[in-house]
Amino acid sequence: DAGITQSPRYKITETGRQVTLMCHQTWSHSYMFWYRQDLGHGLRLIYYSAAADITDKGEVPDGYVVSRSKTENFPLTLESATRSQTSVYFCASRRDPANTGELFFGEGSRLTVL
Amino acid sequence: AQKVTQAQTEISVVEKEDVTLDCVYETRDTTYYLFWYKQPPSGELVFLIRRNSFDEQNEISGRYSWNFQKSTSSFNFTITASQVVDSAVYFCALRFQYGGSQGNLIFGKGTKLSVKP
Repeated sequence: DAGITQSPRYKITETGRQVTLMCHQTWSHSYMFWYRQDLGHGLRLIYYSAAADITDKGEVPDGYVVSRSKTENFPLTLESATRSQTSVYFCASRRDPANTGELFFGEGSRLTVL
Repeated sequence: AQKVTQAQTEISVVEKEDVTLDCVYETRDTTYYLFWYKQPPSGELVFLIRRNSFDEQNEISGRYSWNFQKSTSSFNFTITASQVVDSAVYFCALRFQYGGSQGNLIFGKGTKLSVKP
């Protein structure tokens, strides 16, 4: 039972480079989410997806792009990385079709932008 | 506005002490859900509990207990006889039933608990 897996777990890149963080879930959950975690801010929603080909912005979407061509994958792309995007990124999915269930999180991807 | 406040940034206790982590939330919705997550030093987020707004019964799970009070908009978490393994960052989160972001969780900023032997 793999659940949600994120890759890479650690990434160092330079300002201006494109970076893609991968998220894969084996549960066929409809809903998937990307959060970033920063000291003093807790977790903030970047983007979410209700199903394949349906995505929408969260609280802090600027500088990020997502896609969801398949239910199980939800990659997050930083098209031109900036230092302010240094963070820990968490992917999550939700089992419950109603808005009641808890989110299941991946292990996180720690991104450093130099 | 929907908001979760965890006023305690860091707490340090000695093993076997009881500790309570505070969580205060704001929402205009009548139907909502509250959660606690644990983030140990390894970094993953572990689900602990979910409560809906219509169930104010306190819950106990081993050394963990939760006190939900709608009158004060609080959902506090108590660890009894704390252990070193309880050292982690604990997040309180809110989800409202209706509205945008399809059931997005709104997180507090977290409380870092350190339990010393």
